[in-house]
Amino acid sequence: DQQVKQNSPSLSVQEGRISILNCDYTNSMFDYFLWYKKYPAEGPTFLISISSIKDKNEDGRFTVFLNKSAKHLSLHIVPSQPGDSAVYFCAASGGRTMDTGRRALTFGSGTRLQVQP
Amino acid sequence: DAGVIQSPRHEVTEMGQEVTLRCKPISGHDYLFWYRQTMMRGLELLIYFNNNVPIDDSGMPEDRFSAKMPNASFSTLKIQPSEPRDSAVYFCASSLKGRRYGYTFGSGTRLTVV
Repeated sequence: DQQVKQNSPSLSVQEGRISILNCDYTNSMFDYFLWYKKYPAEGPTFLISISSIKDKNEDGRFTVFLNKSAKHLSLHIVPSQPGDSAVYFCAASGGRTMDTGRRALTFGSGTRLQVQP
Repeated sequence: DAGVIQSPRHEVTEMGQEVTLRCKPISGHDYLFWYRQTMMRGLELLIYFNNNVPIDDSGMPEDRFSAKMPNASFSTLKIQPSEPRDSAVYFCASSLKGRRYGYTFGSGTRLTVV
């Protein structure tokens, strides 16, 4: 039962154009969402996040949009650069309350982005 | 800081053998997580610790898997006996309580069981 779904395993865009990566979730208790970027032979690295009280968060070329009613979030990269080629993971927090107050992240299966020069 | 350090980077073993993966979290981080990455399921949480105490091991697939954190600077994930379906990349991550912008991951251990 995957609570965080990335239905597109891969995406190819031209350099300079917009990349849009999508993520859907099923658990209505999730209240914090993150995107991670992963290069080959490296661990995932944090990219950008958004709280459920917002519907948009922007950081340079990266913007995350959250549609709570649709349980959908997306990551926009504008303009896309060849160095953005990587696997992008969507992650969500919430749904399991830990005694210590922290919740472990639930990740999607990832989308491989390739930006063509 | 050197970040989260995992060893070995690659491990090839025969079915039935014991495998031990190691992790050194970032000093001062009080949470440690073990994740497994596969093509089909992406990143799956196996187990996590808070202040060296296991909090949730519901993601550990079978009794063949066990994890320990004897102190704040070291954790192991053991598979005994290993099976070909355990082949995956295993990641360790650490974080600070209250830092909601995510975890710091190690570079992972690629395990191949033949």
